[in-house]
Amino acid sequence: DADVTQTPRNRITKTGKRIMLECSQTKGHDRMYWYRQDPGLGLRLIYYSFDVKDINKGEISDGYSVSRQAQAKFSLSLESAIPNQTALYFCATSDSAGTGGQEQFFGPGTRLTVL
Amino acid sequence: GESVGLHLPTLSVQEGDNSIINCAYSNSASDYFIWYKQESGKGPQFIIDIRSNMDKRQGQRVTVLLNKTVKHLSLQIAATQPGDSAVYFCAENIRGFQKLVFGTGTRLLVSP
Repeated sequence: DADVTQTPRNRITKTGKRIMLECSQTKGHDRMYWYRQDPGLGLRLIYYSFDVKDINKGEISDGYSVSRQAQAKFSLSLESAIPNQTALYFCATSDSAGTGGQEQFFGPGTRLTVL
Repeated sequence: GESVGLHLPTLSVQEGDNSIINCAYSNSASDYFIWYKQESGKGPQFIIDIRSNMDKRQGQRVTVLLNKTVKHLSLQIAATQPGDSAVYFCAENIRGFQKLVFGTGTRLLVSP
Protein backbone atom coordinates (compact mmCIF):
# COMPACT_ATOMS: atom_id res chain seq x y z
CA ASP A 1 0.00 0.00 0.00
CA ALA A 2 1.23 3.46 -0.89
CA ASP A 3 2.25 5.62 2.06
CA VAL A 4 1.44 8.89 0.28
CA THR A 5 -1.54 8.95 -2.05
CA GLN A 6 -2.83 11.67 -4.32
CA THR A 7 -6.20 12.08 -5.99
CA PRO A 8 -6.96 12.52 -8.78
CA ARG A 9 -3.97 11.17 -10.73
CA ASN A 10 -5.00 13.02 -13.86
CA ARG A 11 -7.31 15.96 -14.38
CA ILE A 12 -8.25 18.08 -17.35
CA THR A 13 -10.16 21.26 -16.62
CA LYS A 14 -11.03 24.60 -18.17
CA THR A 15 -9.80 28.08 -17.43
CA GLY A 16 -11.64 29.64 -14.51
CA LYS A 17 -12.70 26.40 -12.84
CA ARG A 18 -11.98 25.64 -9.21
CA ILE A 19 -9.89 22.54 -8.70
CA MET A 20 -8.90 20.65 -5.56
CA LEU A 21 -6.07 18.16 -5.40
CA GLU A 22 -5.98 15.89 -2.38
CA CYS A 23 -3.16 14.21 -0.54
CA SER A 24 -3.31 11.60 2.21
CA GLN A 25 -0.49 9.89 4.08
CA THR A 26 -0.28 6.90 6.39
CA LYS A 27 3.30 7.53 7.51
CA GLY A 28 2.31 9.44 10.62
CA HIS A 29 4.44 12.39 9.56
CA ASP A 30 3.67 15.86 10.84
CA ARG A 31 5.04 17.81 7.87
CA MET A 32 3.42 17.97 4.44
CA TYR A 33 4.30 19.83 1.24
CA TRP A 34 2.90 20.64 -2.19
CA TYR A 35 5.20 21.05 -5.18
CA ARG A 36 4.72 21.61 -8.86
CA GLN A 37 7.03 20.25 -11.52
CA ASP A 38 7.51 21.79 -14.94
CA PRO A 39 9.89 20.60 -17.65
CA GLY A 40 13.39 21.90 -17.02
CA LEU A 41 12.46 23.63 -13.76
CA GLY A 42 12.66 20.86 -11.21
CA LEU A 43 10.37 20.87 -8.18
CA ARG A 44 9.11 24.18 -6.86
CA LEU A 45 7.47 24.54 -3.46
CA ILE A 46 3.93 25.92 -3.42
CA TYR A 47 2.88 25.56 0.23
CA TYR A 48 3.99 23.59 3.25
CA SER A 49 2.61 22.72 6.66
CA PHE A 50 4.58 21.64 9.72
CA ASP A 51 1.49 20.62 11.68
CA VAL A 52 -2.28 20.90 11.53
CA LYS A 53 -2.34 24.54 12.63
CA ASP A 54 0.61 25.64 10.55
CA ILE A 55 0.44 26.79 6.91
CA ASN A 56 3.31 28.50 5.09
CA LYS A 57 3.74 29.89 1.60
CA GLY A 58 6.43 28.50 -0.62
CA GLU A 59 8.15 30.18 -3.52
CA ILE A 60 5.18 30.07 -5.93
CA SER A 61 2.01 30.29 -3.84
CA ASP A 62 0.13 32.88 -5.94
CA GLY A 63 -3.04 31.40 -7.42
CA TYR A 64 -3.08 28.49 -4.94
CA SER A 65 -4.48 27.83 -1.49
CA VAL A 66 -4.21 24.88 0.87
CA SER A 67 -6.04 23.26 3.73
CA ARG A 68 -4.59 20.92 6.36
CA GLN A 69 -7.74 19.10 7.43
CA ALA A 70 -5.94 16.61 9.64
CA GLN A 71 -2.39 15.45 10.24
CA ALA A 72 -2.81 12.92 7.45
CA LYS A 73 -4.52 15.17 4.87
CA PHE A 74 -3.32 18.19 2.98
CA SER A 75 -5.28 19.55 0.00
CA LEU A 76 -4.27 22.05 -2.66
CA SER A 77 -6.82 24.27 -4.38
CA LEU A 78 -6.69 26.33 -7.52
CA GLU A 79 -9.46 28.88 -7.03
CA SER A 80 -9.61 29.88 -10.69
CA ALA A 81 -7.40 27.69 -12.85
CA ILE A 82 -5.36 29.23 -15.64
CA PRO A 83 -3.40 27.49 -18.44
CA ASN A 84 0.03 28.24 -16.97
CA GLN A 85 -0.95 26.10 -13.97
CA THR A 86 -0.74 23.08 -16.23
CA ALA A 87 1.92 20.95 -14.55
CA LEU A 88 2.65 17.87 -12.49
CA TYR A 89 1.78 18.33 -8.82
CA PHE A 90 3.42 16.36 -6.04
CA CYS A 91 2.59 16.03 -2.40
CA ALA A 92 5.35 15.07 0.04
CA THR A 93 5.71 14.36 3.75
CA SER A 94 8.52 14.40 6.27
CA ASP A 95 8.97 13.68 9.95
CA SER A 96 10.31 16.37 12.25
CA ALA A 97 10.80 13.89 15.07
CA GLY A 98 13.36 11.69 13.37
CA THR A 99 17.05 11.83 14.15
CA GLY A 100 17.87 11.75 10.48
CA GLY A 101 17.72 14.54 7.99
CA GLN A 102 14.76 16.17 6.34
CA GLU A 103 14.06 13.37 3.87
CA GLN A 104 10.76 13.88 2.10
CA PHE A 105 8.55 11.08 0.83
CA PHE A 106 6.60 11.81 -2.33
CA GLY A 107 3.25 10.77 -3.67
CA PRO A 108 2.77 9.54 -7.24
CA GLY A 109 1.77 12.93 -8.58
CA THR A 110 -1.25 14.52 -10.24
CA ARG A 111 -1.07 15.61 -13.84
CA LEU A 112 -3.22 18.72 -14.24
CA THR A 113 -4.07 20.22 -17.61
CA VAL A 114 -5.86 23.56 -17.80
CA LEU A 115 -7.36 24.31 -21.21
CA GLY B 1 4.79 8.70 -19.44
CA GLU B 2 4.75 12.44 -18.91
CA SER B 3 7.31 14.70 -20.48
CA VAL B 4 9.25 15.47 -17.30
CA GLY B 5 12.38 17.39 -18.02
CA LEU B 6 12.22 17.96 -21.77
CA HIS B 7 15.30 20.16 -21.62
CA LEU B 8 17.27 18.38 -18.93
CA PRO B 9 20.98 17.64 -19.26
CA THR B 10 21.32 14.01 -20.22
CA LEU B 11 23.95 11.41 -19.40
CA SER B 12 24.02 8.38 -21.66
CA VAL B 13 25.94 5.29 -20.54
CA GLN B 14 26.25 1.63 -21.42
CA GLU B 15 24.97 -1.05 -19.11
CA GLY B 16 27.71 -2.07 -16.71
CA ASP B 17 29.51 1.28 -16.82
CA ASN B 18 29.83 3.51 -13.78
CA SER B 19 27.78 6.73 -13.89
CA ILE B 20 28.57 10.04 -12.25
CA ILE B 21 25.87 12.67 -11.93
CA ASN B 22 26.88 16.10 -10.71
CA CYS B 23 25.09 18.86 -8.87
CA ALA B 24 26.21 22.34 -7.90
CA TYR B 25 24.44 23.78 -4.89
CA SER B 26 24.06 27.40 -4.08
CA ASN B 27 24.12 28.01 -0.37
CA SER B 28 27.11 27.57 1.92
CA ALA B 29 24.66 27.29 4.84
CA SER B 30 23.21 24.06 3.45
CA ASP B 31 23.68 21.29 6.00
CA TYR B 32 22.01 18.27 4.45
CA PHE B 33 21.74 16.91 0.93
CA ILE B 34 19.64 14.24 -0.73
CA TRP B 35 19.66 12.51 -4.08
CA TYR B 36 16.31 11.50 -5.52
CA LYS B 37 15.48 9.28 -8.48
CA GLN B 38 12.35 9.91 -10.53
CA GLU B 39 11.15 7.31 -12.99
CA SER B 40 8.63 8.15 -15.64
CA GLY B 41 5.14 8.43 -14.22
CA LYS B 42 6.27 8.31 -10.61
CA GLY B 43 7.15 10.65 -7.81
CA PRO B 44 10.75 11.19 -6.70
CA GLN B 45 12.22 8.39 -4.59
CA PHE B 46 14.96 8.75 -2.01
CA ILE B 47 18.32 7.23 -2.98
CA ILE B 48 20.89 8.45 -0.50
CA ASP B 49 21.62 11.41 1.74
CA ILE B 50 24.65 13.06 3.31
CA ARG B 51 25.19 15.62 6.04
CA SER B 52 27.55 18.52 5.62
CA ASN B 53 29.96 17.13 8.24
CA MET B 54 30.73 14.23 5.88
CA ASP B 55 32.59 14.05 2.57
CA LYS B 56 31.41 10.67 1.38
CA ARG B 57 28.66 8.20 2.01
CA GLN B 58 28.07 4.84 0.42
CA GLY B 59 24.96 2.84 -0.18
CA GLN B 60 24.19 -0.19 -2.27
CA ARG B 61 25.83 0.54 -5.66
CA VAL B 62 25.63 4.27 -4.97
CA THR B 63 28.09 6.73 -3.47
CA VAL B 64 27.54 10.41 -2.75
CA LEU B 65 30.52 12.77 -2.58
CA LEU B 66 30.32 16.23 -1.09
CA ASN B 67 32.87 18.97 -1.77
CA LYS B 68 31.94 21.91 0.38
CA THR B 69 34.83 24.03 -0.85
CA VAL B 70 33.34 24.31 -4.32
CA LYS B 71 29.74 23.53 -3.29
CA HIS B 72 29.55 20.42 -5.40
CA LEU B 73 27.71 17.17 -4.90
CA SER B 74 27.99 14.04 -7.00
CA LEU B 75 26.19 10.73 -7.22
CA GLN B 76 28.13 7.73 -8.43
CA ILE B 77 26.26 4.64 -9.58
CA ALA B 78 28.34 1.49 -9.96
CA ALA B 79 27.60 -1.07 -12.66
CA THR B 80 24.72 0.94 -14.07
CA GLN B 81 21.68 -1.08 -15.09
CA PRO B 82 18.79 -0.30 -17.47
CA GLY B 83 16.55 0.04 -14.41
CA ASP B 84 18.68 3.00 -13.33
CA SER B 85 17.35 5.01 -16.25
CA ALA B 86 15.51 7.95 -14.70
CA VAL B 87 15.83 11.62 -13.82
CA TYR B 88 18.06 12.28 -10.81
CA PHE B 89 17.63 15.33 -8.57
CA CYS B 90 19.82 16.69 -5.85
CA ALA B 91 18.22 18.63 -3.02
CA GLU B 92 19.76 20.78 -0.30
CA ASN B 93 18.44 21.77 3.09
CA ILE B 94 19.49 25.26 4.06
CA ARG B 95 20.18 25.40 7.79
CA GLY B 96 17.37 27.18 9.62
CA PHE B 97 14.88 27.06 6.74
CA GLN B 98 13.65 23.49 7.19
CA LYS B 99 12.79 23.17 3.50
CA LEU B 100 14.46 21.37 0.65
CA VAL B 101 15.61 23.23 -2.45
CA PHE B 102 15.73 21.01 -5.51
CA GLY B 103 18.05 21.12 -8.49
CA THR B 104 16.64 20.90 -12.01
CA GLY B 105 17.69 17.29 -12.53
CA THR B 106 19.78 15.15 -14.87
CA ARG B 107 18.37 12.45 -17.10
CA LEU B 108 20.32 9.17 -17.05
CA LEU B 109 19.85 6.90 -20.05
CA VAL B 110 21.27 3.40 -19.82
CA SER B 111 21.51 1.37 -22.98
CA PRO B 112 21.96 -2.42 -22.97
